Amino acid sequence: QKEVEQNSGPLSVPEGAIASLNCTYSDRGSQSFFWYRQYSGKSPELIMFIYSNGDKEDGRFTAQLNKASQYVSLLIRDSQPSDSATYLCAVNEEGGGADGLTFGKGTHLIIQP
Amino acid sequence: DAGVIQSPRHEVTEMGQEVTLRCKPISGHDYLFWYRQTMMRGLELLIYFNNNVPIDDSGMPEDRFSAKMPNASFSTLKIQPSEPRDSAVYFCASSLNRKNIQYFGAGTRLSVL
Repeated sequence: QKEVEQNSGPLSVPEGAIASLNCTYSDRGSQSFFWYRQYSGKSPELIMFIYSNGDKEDGRFTAQLNKASQYVSLLIRDSQPSDSATYLCAVNEEGGGADGLTFGKGTHLIIQP
Repeated sequence: DAGVIQSPRHEVTEMGQEVTLRCKPISGHDYLFWYRQTMMRGLELLIYFNNNVPIDDSGMPEDRFSAKMPNASFSTLKIQPSEPRDSAVYFCASSLNRKNIQYFGAGTRLSVL
């Protein structure tokens, strides 16, 4: 049974600070890692994906992957109130594979103005 | 492109009734996924298709659930008979290829009374 674990939060961060979201996964065969953002009552939307160990940056977002520790994180710099949402971590077993994603239950992030 | 289109957006029905949820994937996407989201269990994969063929239905909770994809532009998820515990938001997602970046529809909020 593949498991993806996230702290449900809420995680409260002041505006302008760095928000750090964490995720661990159980399946060592996992190869693809995704962060989705979901606003209340809306569908998940892709923020970032990462396949290789290390950091990947896209604007204010940085994804970090450590396969040895089975750990993936998302950093949001210069947090804005519009970043307030639930962030879902998802993993896929095979690199570039077509299996459905295994999602964590999400971390509820609140950016305080 | 209009994105993944789901209908209806909301469905309220009584226990025992048949429910049919519909999905139109993004044109050209070869993979289609059905997910269910609840507060307790989070986002769970139910079934996915590749080129209209069901690949993995191990997430379908019971025989009351069935899914079809008669052509590349249409899929249905049917629940017969429906039960109150089926109340959830059902999402359809599609992806272009083995990169597995999935794009979600707006979801169908199902309430079974």
